[in-house]
Amino acid sequence: RKEVEQDPGPFNVPEGATVAFNCTYSNSASQSFFWYRQDCRKEPKLLMSVYSSGNEDGRFTAQLNRASQYISLLIRDSKLSDSATYLCVVSYGNKLVFGAGTILRVKS
Amino acid sequence: ETGVTQTPRHLVMGMTNKKSLKCEQHLGHNAMYWYKQSAKKPLELMFVYNFKEQTENNSVPSRFSPECPNSSHLFLHLHTLQPEDSALYLCASSQASLQGSAGELFFGEGSRLTVL
Repeated sequence: RKEVEQDPGPFNVPEGATVAFNCTYSNSASQSFFWYRQDCRKEPKLLMSVYSSGNEDGRFTAQLNRASQYISLLIRDSKLSDSATYLCVVSYGNKLVFGAGTILRVKS
Repeated sequence: ETGVTQTPRHLVMGMTNKKSLKCEQHLGHNAMYWYKQSAKKPLELMFVYNFKEQTENNSVPSRFSPECPNSSHLFLHLHTLQPEDSALYLCASSQASLQGSAGELFFGEGSRLTVL
């Protein structure tokens, strides 16, 4: 079983749509959780951390369910500029483990 | 100016060559990382250095040899590579906590390696 699993997509959505990505992780000792974004031919960059209570940053909402070892990312009112690969990241100690990413394509 | 710079951006080498990738971080971080990114595969952690000490070696073949002379510089020495080693090699840095948790990673733009 992969340490971090994501649906690879691609998710093709129209502008203004709401889209949700899911991620599961296998190591119950995982301590911290993140979503990173990677644009085509660019390096990954932190989008947001994920907290147990859930957290929101503008149009983006992240949720964590430790019991089910499940993380989600919700994007509301999608913009063309949201098109990218979204990477689910789980850490324990100084080790960050990345999922393979979910591709999002927002079309006009 | 990016906080983490990598050189060269592109490298083509034969299987018998010896080359090095260089990474420099200008963020004052205490931890540096090498990741490998192949097409359609997750980023694979290769090496971690905390306070210049190697704390993680993720079963990487010995043909990859890291070097961290100080907390701002990280090298990846390459020799007798195989074609399947062709990939994007990403360097990252972070401010790791005293308890050892990594913190936010800041990546360089990567060195794209092609092994012929």
